[in-house]
Amino acid sequence: KAGVTQTPRYLIKTRGQQVTLSCSPISGHRSVSWYQQTPGQGLQFLFEYFSETQRNKGNFPGRFSGRQFSNSRSEMNVSTLELGDSALYLCASTQAWGYEQYFGPGTRLTVT
Amino acid sequence: SQKIEQNSEALNIQEGKTATLTCNYTNYSPAYLQWYRQDPGRGPVFLLLIRENEKEKRKERLKVTFDTTLKQSLFHITASQPADSATYLCALGDFGNEKLTFGTGTRLTIIP
Repeated sequence: KAGVTQTPRYLIKTRGQQVTLSCSPISGHRSVSWYQQTPGQGLQFLFEYFSETQRNKGNFPGRFSGRQFSNSRSEMNVSTLELGDSALYLCASTQAWGYEQYFGPGTRLTVT
Repeated sequence: SQKIEQNSEALNIQEGKTATLTCNYTNYSPAYLQWYRQDPGRGPVFLLLIRENEKEKRKERLKVTFDTTLKQSLFHITASQPADSATYLCALGDFGNEKLTFGTGTRLTIIP
């Protein structure tokens, strides 16, 4: 099976812009979660989607949003970028609750 | 608030010895606990999962214990090798949702 893929791998944006990141889960996995990883805060949960519905949300401002398509592919969007949004954004998929999560390679976002 | 601490930021172990990493948590009643390995610039890779009603799990050279009374998990790598050098993350899972709460990680270096 192909692993979780994320595009793009690297992105440089300017403050105030918006960005869309994409994630394709492992075939058959319907749950997709997004995480932000920074040196200071570590890995933090953003949100989780299952069958096109957001089921869980972390403590991030409304500038962070996401969606999931009928083929389980997911996108996350960050609007009005701030310098503090510079991070590695990771997507993970899982087959069901309580099972391991499979992470993608991440998208490295740099905001200047 | 929920807090997860991993014993140290960095741990150096001589090749061939057993590396033991600690994960402590407070204000949390997890349904399960997972351990991941992360190499620089890559997404975390799942290693082991242990549920709240289990005491110990093994996989090849890896062993994890889970003590819900002490609110602690220990992760052991026996016969350690330089290739085991990486950052190891513990993550706690809630009942009924896919959100994982991660510890800060321990950077393990196996010295030849």
